[in-house]
Amino acid sequence: DSGVTQTPKHLITATGQRVTLRCSPRSGDLSVYWYQQSLDQGLQFLIQYYNGEERAKGNILERFSAQQFPDLHSELNLSSLELGDSALYFCASSVNLGAGNIQYFGAGTRLSVL
Amino acid sequence: DQQVKQNSPSLSVQEGRISILNCDYTNSMFDYFLWYKKYPAEGPTFLISISSIKDKNEDGRFTVFLNKSAKHLSLHIVPSQPGDSAVYFCAASRGNDKIIFGKGTRLHILP
Repeated sequence: DSGVTQTPKHLITATGQRVTLRCSPRSGDLSVYWYQQSLDQGLQFLIQYYNGEERAKGNILERFSAQQFPDLHSELNLSSLELGDSALYFCASSVNLGAGNIQYFGAGTRLSVL
Repeated sequence: DQQVKQNSPSLSVQEGRISILNCDYTNSMFDYFLWYKKYPAEGPTFLISISSIKDKNEDGRFTVFLNKSAKHLSLHIVPSQPGDSAVYFCAASRGNDKIIFGKGTRLHILP
């Protein structure tokens, strides 16, 4: 158990809908990262928050947004869903910034858009 | 533009033999490299890392080698065990920048 909790584990929805994925980081970790893993793709970095502030952005679509709350949990909001958004979404957390800080991953949320 | 490449989607190795997973990168500014392991229905877990100031790091059965001139790193697993069957992701970063992951290599350990 990595200590990172993601809910829900599975989500099935229809095109055009909006969903929210939730992530609780490990106790004490200030930084939260979101990744998308599509079929045959590696882990695509979406966005990073550090202590409530957006720190870095990757290939995140404008239809997607995220935030980190004062209790350090984070939510990833996906709207106007398309079939191509079907993927595994992972959250990771680390104590701090920097390459030496290992990221610990949750088990992921599998999103299926029908 | 893929900055971290794992050119072998899969690899099969006999139990007890050495598994060698390879990774190439294009950005010479990367200064930290990591390997993660992923089982089905679980998130990736950190395995081993290496700083660019080193060329080798060892942790039990796992050794990572870094060849900066060739922009190449490899993960050696000796001896390979059935529980090593998983997807292995190579990753790299520079300073406080985001970590860039490769697409992964699926390792099958054969009995």
